This record gives sequence, C-alpha cells and structure tokens, in this order.
Amino acid sequence: DPKIIQKPKYLVAVTGSEKILICEQYLGHNAMYWYRQSAKKPLEFMFSYSYQKLMDNQTASSRFQPQSSKKNHLDLQITALKPDDSATYFCASSQDSGNTLYFGEGSRLIVV
Amino acid sequence: GDSVTQTEGQVALSEEDFLTIHCNYSASGYPTLFWYVQYPGEGPQLLFRASRDKEKGSSRGFEATYDKGTTSFHLRKASVQESDSAVYYCALSPDSNYQLIWGSGTKLIIKP
Repeated sequence: DPKIIQKPKYLVAVTGSEKILICEQYLGHNAMYWYRQSAKKPLEFMFSYSYQKLMDNQTASSRFQPQSSKKNHLDLQITALKPDDSATYFCASSQDSGNTLYFGEGSRLIVV
Repeated sequence: GDSVTQTEGQVALSEEDFLTIHCNYSASGYPTLFWYVQYPGEGPQLLFRASRDKEKGSSRGFEATYDKGTTSFHLRKASVQESDSAVYYCALSPDSNYQLIWGSGTKLIIKP
C-alpha cells in the first residue's frame, strides 16, 4: 500500500481557476515537502515543512500556498492557474532534516 | 552556494554494458550524498546514500563511493538490464538542512 497518498492523480484545470492538491503521509515523518517536475526543470524544490511549520520556501509566486491541517497532511493550493503551472507535483516526506526523502506518485496538473 | 553537477543528460547503452553516471558536488563540510532513481510515472525513490568520505553505498547492483578529495559520487553498475531504464538523480543534503540539492538528472536508456 502506498505510504504517501496524493490526490488527484491527474487534473485538468482552466486558466485562472484554483485547485488544491492533497497529500497525506503514513510514515510517521516529521517533515513534508512539495516538489514540481516539468519538461523545463527536471525536479524543482518548492516548500518544506517540519512539525507543520514552514521551513523553506523556494517558490517565488504567492499563488502557491501550502496548507497543513495535521502533521501528516500537507496540501498545496494553487490560485489563478496559468498554463506554465502545468507539471507533475510531488509530495515527499522525511523523518527529519537531512534524512532520506520518500516521494508520492505525483499529481499531474494540466492547465488549459 | 552548494551544488550538484551531473554531466550526462542522457546515456544510451546495450544490455550487459558497464554504466557510469558522473556526479560532482560543491559543498562545505561533509554533506550526505544520495542517488535516487525515478521510473516512468512514479516519484523518485532512494537508491542509496553515503555520509562519510570513502563510504560506499550500494543497492540492486548499483554502487557509488563518497570521495571528498575529488568531490564526486559517481554511480556505477557492472551489467545493466533493460529494467534499469529510468532517470537517475544525484543529490546532497547540507548539514541539518531541510532542502536537498539536486542534480539535473541523467536519463538511462537501455537498448534491448
């Protein structure tokens, strides 16, 4: 059974709309992350959270907002979607800082 | 700043060929070094890691040795199989930092 659940697996959205990508991990980890992967940038770090607190943000746009309602939960809200946001978004977790990352299967977003 | 360089964007081999994917890094101290593998349609997964100079990491026939002198962590496999076709990422974790520094990835293509 997958230990990191991402929903939805595939998503088509209209330019200007808002979507939320869901991520839950059942590994008992303290840190969670969001990464983006597109043809332009192979694997791009976005955010890191530890104990539900933002540790690092490498995303320039405020249109991307992580939301953590529980320690094992880190959603990603994306507003005012643009075609350039089309990518696969990966959620990951680790026991703590500097530890091995475990990735989910990704949410593939297409913005038309 | 810290960085990871993978010189090969793509490597094409035949089955049973010897594989080398080069990884050089730039970081202070003793970062932890990782190799991740990403199969089509999946998130990256850890192949192995190493934390000390001269430490060898290995898994599934792949291996790499942490070399602080040459700041390298080259991935090798003696005899590749078609099932090894994937993208391989070298990464490093600076001390007590939540953000992994990723290489650009190397796509391995195995010709049957």
